[in-house]
Parts: sequence; structure tokens; C-alpha cells
Amino acid sequence: DTAVSQTPKYLVTQMGNDKSIKCEQNLGHDTMYWYKQDSKKFLKIMFSYNNKELIINETVPNRFSPKSPDKAHLNLHINSLELGDSAVYFCASSPHRRGETEAFFGQGTRLTVV
Amino acid sequence: GNSVTQMEGPVTLSEEAFLTINCTYTATGYPSLFWYVQYPGEGLQLLLKATKADDKGSNKGFEATYRKETTSFHLEKGSVQVSDSAVYFCALIFSGSARQLTFGSGTQLTVLP
Repeated sequence: DTAVSQTPKYLVTQMGNDKSIKCEQNLGHDTMYWYKQDSKKFLKIMFSYNNKELIINETVPNRFSPKSPDKAHLNLHINSLELGDSAVYFCASSPHRRGETEAFFGQGTRLTVV
Repeated sequence: GNSVTQMEGPVTLSEEAFLTINCTYTATGYPSLFWYVQYPGEGLQLLLKATKADDKGSNKGFEATYRKETTSFHLEKGSVQVSDSAVYFCALIFSGSARQLTFGSGTQLTVLP
């Protein structure tokens, strides 16, 4: 019954590796997001997709690439991982209907690059 | 651009104390305002929201009122519990085509028994 689910919950990997984080929502929402939370808990949006179309692409390295195979999924691929990529990554979704603005978040993926 | 400013933490209170976490925003227009809570090791959960001026959001004993004149959305609770220990985020969003939640920096609350 999880509304927004991310996998894996924890990811430990070496520098230079390529990894993916998956996100799925079963809420029927049109818009999905990826946020990065740093060690000081600061949340920064990375990407936003509406109906599989990229609508926000903040200044993130092009090693990060989102992929949306369908409206219910937004995966995050990261190439050539660096130490500074260590953070908690949150997927979220929200409806794109007038008056409905609440975003629902996944549990987060704690990425540790060693 | 849009921004949210929260009072800096950490905030440490004794059980049953009164809580206020200040939040002000800068935005063009009238956004919807939210408070999200993040318990240790978990994701963000919506705590309460207000979508227009003078609306009051409330949940679990927490309240916040959308004040257009002061562009504020301060979070309050009359009597905190140990289980309220978490990080609290103020956020805003516009219902436009490129909607995104803009978050404040978060305030860590610790409630001691």
C-alpha cells in the first residue's frame, strides 16, 4: 500500500561506479520529483517530471540522469559516482490538478560513496 | 525567486513546553504553504497545509496560520511530547505548470522527558 516507494533504501558503493535508484508511485499522480538532502538536512530539488516530460532540471552534474518510462516511475541514474554524491535522495509525487498541491515522499535512499 | 526562511535550530524543549518555529517566505503571488516533518531515519510526511491567506492548518496538535501581510507561516504547538522530536520543514509551492516545492532549511526539534 506504499504510496511512493524507492529502492534501495541503502546503497553503499565505490567511487567511479554507476548506480540507479528506482521510484514508483501508485497514486496516479502526474508529477514526480527527485530531491537531494545533504548532511545538514537541506533539501534541494534536482528534477521534476510531468507526464514523463522533464519540466525542471536544476543545476546538477550531467552524471545524474532521470528516466521516466511511464507516469508512475521516475528512476535516477548516477554515473561515475563521487564522494560528494553521498546524501539521502528522496523521490516524491504530486497531482497536477488545480487546488491539489501536496507532495508525497518516499522513504529516501541513503547513498554512501566510499 | 521564491524562498523560505526558517528559524535555525536545533531547538531543545522539555516535555509539555510551548513550541514555535518561525517561517517566512518570499514569493511572487500567493503560494500554498506546508509544514513537513521528518522523523529519524524516515522520509518527509505532510504535517499540515494552508492554501490561501488566513487559512489555518492543523494536525496532531500543531497549528500554523497563513499570514499574507507578514508572509509568514509559523508552526506552533501548545504542549510538545518526546515523540514530536524530528526535523520540521516549512515549504511553499505554486500551482503552475512548473510546480516545485521550495523548502526551508529545516529545524531540528528535540523534546526531553
